[in-house]
Amino acid sequence: DVKVTQSSRYLVKRTGEKVFLECVQDMDHENMFWYRQDPGLGLRLIYFSYDVKMKEKGDIPEGYSVSREKKERFSLILESASTNQTSMYLCASSLPLTGELFFGEGSRLTVL
Amino acid sequence: QKEVEQNSGPLSVPEGAIASLNCTYSDRGSQSFFWYRQYSGKSPELIMFIYSNGDKEDGRFTAQLNKASQYVSLLIRDSQPSDSATYLCAVSTGGYNKLIFGAGTRLAVHP
Repeated sequence: DVKVTQSSRYLVKRTGEKVFLECVQDMDHENMFWYRQDPGLGLRLIYFSYDVKMKEKGDIPEGYSVSREKKERFSLILESASTNQTSMYLCASSLPLTGELFFGEGSRLTVL
Repeated sequence: QKEVEQNSGPLSVPEGAIASLNCTYSDRGSQSFFWYRQYSGKSPELIMFIYSNGDKEDGRFTAQLNKASQYVSLLIRDSQPSDSATYLCAVSTGGYNKLIFGAGTRLAVHP
């Protein structure tokens, strides 16, 4: 079974802090994604990566950056957390041919 | 802006009935269509995907795709209380198989 592991299930941070969300997948997938999920808005794509050191902006990249130094690991970085970044963050990896996404359990971030 | 639209619900159906969930999308170039189920507090899990016009059946689930009308639906036969969840429609668009999600329809199956 594909396993996507997110390092933290729940985080509480203060405004202005730097936040790292880590994601690791064990199925050698090329594509990895970061989404955020908010009530009434569904899942919105922040960034994705199609290869090591390669990244593309999604629909809402402002205030975020990403890092992919190894194929299995994709990190989301909030350089200076703000209260409007309080959300559920979902990492996913996908098979390149089918596009099927496999999700991690999510990281619920609260910024005070 | 490429969009995927779903009725937010809740859609309430009695146990044993057919639940019909609908989704429309704006990008005519979309190639692949997915239905995910998400229980409260959990991450989405894939139910099924469809690429071609017509119906695709998997157990109690049937996905229907009409590319001309830009419409995809999910039918759940013999609905069970355990089917109560939010159902997310997703459409693959552009390169790298990016998925664009609808906001989801909440389904409630009552005994």
